[in-house]
Amino acid sequence: GNSVTQMEGPVTLSEEAFLTINCTYTATGYPSLFWYVQYPGEGLQLLLKATKADDKGSNKGFEATYRKETTSFHLEKGSVQVSDSAVYFCARANSGGYQKVTFGTGTKLQVIP
Amino acid sequence: DTGVSQDPRHKITKRGQNVTFRCDPISEHNRLYWYRQTLGQGPEFLTYFQNEAQLEKSRLLSDRFSAERPKGSFSTLEIQRTEQGDSAMYLCASSSKESGTQFAPMGYTFGSGTRLTVV
Repeated sequence: GNSVTQMEGPVTLSEEAFLTINCTYTATGYPSLFWYVQYPGEGLQLLLKATKADDKGSNKGFEATYRKETTSFHLEKGSVQVSDSAVYFCARANSGGYQKVTFGTGTKLQVIP
Repeated sequence: DTGVSQDPRHKITKRGQNVTFRCDPISEHNRLYWYRQTLGQGPEFLTYFQNEAQLEKSRLLSDRFSAERPKGSFSTLEIQRTEQGDSAMYLCASSSKESGTQFAPMGYTFGSGTRLTVV
């Protein structure tokens, strides 16, 4: 089936540290890939997306590259801020059809000053 | 448009009672989804509507759950005879087919969710 696996948290970093959150997906079909973010007390927000191999999604300093050869979509940020503290969800959706999205279990990021 | 709205934000109910949640999607989105999220987990798919048609239901959606979208706009999710295991955040999301192609999902816009606590 379609699934997404992401690294377990929590991840604790100091401000301005480099962030990587690993995500791998099952290679069924030609999925689109997403990262969603959930800030404390808020709903999920789409952070970035990539729709085909080698695409790079980027937003708010975050980046993720669609790697078909490794079936990965790792999230990176060069310098995290305290305001980036949130739970990050990797997700996939099959192209075509009705775009049902399958989510990973989430990785909690805590950035300390 | 202010995005996807869900009502209520919080609901506490006694076991065995029925509850109903409402979702108002973004007006131009014809696709609507319900998900459930428990603590420490990612959202799990419950059901999907395209316009007023319910096109898929997860096996997570037992007979006690029913969802409707009668006019292809707002949707309701009803849980009958609630159980403590139903306690979760119920999320609604909407989306539209990206203009010109069905091969590039745009991603969902989520509501803030309804947190259900069954005591």
